[in-house]
Amino acid sequence: AQSVTQLDSHVSVSEGTPVLLRCNYSSSYSPSLFWYVQHPNKGLQLLLKYTSAATLVKGINGFEAEFKKSETSFHLTKPSAHMSDAAEYFCVVSDRSGGYNKLIFGAGTRLAVHP
Amino acid sequence: DAGVTQSPTHLIKTRGQQVTLRCSPKSGHDTVSWYQQALGQGPQFIFQYYEEEERQRGNFPDRFSGHQFPNYSSELNVNALLLGDSALYLCASSLGSLQAHTEAFFGQGTRLTVV
Repeated sequence: AQSVTQLDSHVSVSEGTPVLLRCNYSSSYSPSLFWYVQHPNKGLQLLLKYTSAATLVKGINGFEAEFKKSETSFHLTKPSAHMSDAAEYFCVVSDRSGGYNKLIFGAGTRLAVHP
Repeated sequence: DAGVTQSPTHLIKTRGQQVTLRCSPKSGHDTVSWYQQALGQGPQFIFQYYEEEERQRGNFPDRFSGHQFPNYSSELNVNALLLGDSALYLCASSLGSLQAHTEAFFGQGTRLTVV
């Protein structure tokens, strides 16, 4: 079965400093992985996705993630945090065990950005 | 493009009642999936509809049922509401592709409170 584990439930950074949100995955085959962001009272927005084309994936708003098969990790990074980055972030894996795609979400990491 | 729209945005129901939530998918999308997001947790897959049929289901009781209409819109019904059904219900639309990296677009959700 596919699963993802987000290693930090809360991360706090200062504005202008780097962001690192950690995610490990478990998959019996080559996974499709995603990062989604959820701002308060808003729906989920796709930040980026990994589909085996390239191990370093660039997304929106300056975020990127690196797929490391040897470490079964897909950590999300951003060089410089902005106040508007404060939100809940979800690492997600696509599960095809039922024959069709469904998304399996991690528990989420709440990112706080301080001035 | 209006994206994925859900109604209502908020709902308060009493234990034992029944509720219907509605979703209109993004233009051009033919697949609708429903997720339940309890407070402080990641979304959990409920079921997925394609061509007006439920094609896969998560670990939810039969009290949760759904429907998809010819125009691809969808309803989620929950019978005999329990306090534990209080959550944000998210609708996601996508194309009926079997590709694992198919992107899902989410609505803003319906916040259901059971009292």
